[in-house]
Amino acid sequence: NAGVTQTPKFRILKIGQSMTLQCTQDMNHNYMYWYRQDPGMGLKLIYYSVGAGITDKGEVPNGYNVSRSTTEDFPLRLELAAPSQTSVYFCASRSGLAGGPHGTDTQYFGPGTRLTVL
Amino acid sequence: AQSVTQLGSHVSVSEGALVLLRCNYSSSVPPYLFWYVQYPNQGLQLLLKYTTGATLVKGINGFEAEFKKSETSFHLTKPSAHMSDAAEYFCAVSGRGGSEKLVFGKGTKLTVNP
Repeated sequence: NAGVTQTPKFRILKIGQSMTLQCTQDMNHNYMYWYRQDPGMGLKLIYYSVGAGITDKGEVPNGYNVSRSTTEDFPLRLELAAPSQTSVYFCASRSGLAGGPHGTDTQYFGPGTRLTVL
Repeated sequence: AQSVTQLGSHVSVSEGALVLLRCNYSSSVPPYLFWYVQYPNQGLQLLLKYTTGATLVKGINGFEAEFKKSETSFHLTKPSAHMSDAAEYFCAVSGRGGSEKLVFGKGTKLTVNP
């Protein structure tokens, strides 16, 4: 298993450009998440998905969009890049198996995408 | 709403010394608690978690944490620091009410001096 993979690893954007951060997991996990990490601020949840076709906003969704057409993929779209979106972006997934208590299974993280908007 | 406070954004210890990283949480329901580690330029990796049962939880790499409900704490310890423990550590909480979301603390960067 490759686990959670993210592309690209690094990207520099100009203000106003758009891009899609890719995230794929091969563990057949139901739940997927996008976080951003800023120095000294921990991780903030941008969007999450509990299954194909179902997405919901996290703590900091403004300026981002997501879709979940398959179990494996959860791309994050930036439509009009702004300097405030300079950050490291992490994708994560967990199984969310039915029958167990919610939230006890482990979240697995990808290696991250370092984005700079100039 | 749930929240996590990690006391000390930077902690420095000598190799072989005790590691103590502090985490306090706020939750309206009994929480699930997690510690994650992030090595430089990598994603986060689970160290340990408390869900139910024994309040002293053992994790990977010799780390352990104790859930203390009366103190709303979940401090991370390791008896003897190793150089390879240098990393950033995040405490996180999720609720038992069906929430699928983790709320992270701001992180503590551990430096291990030779």
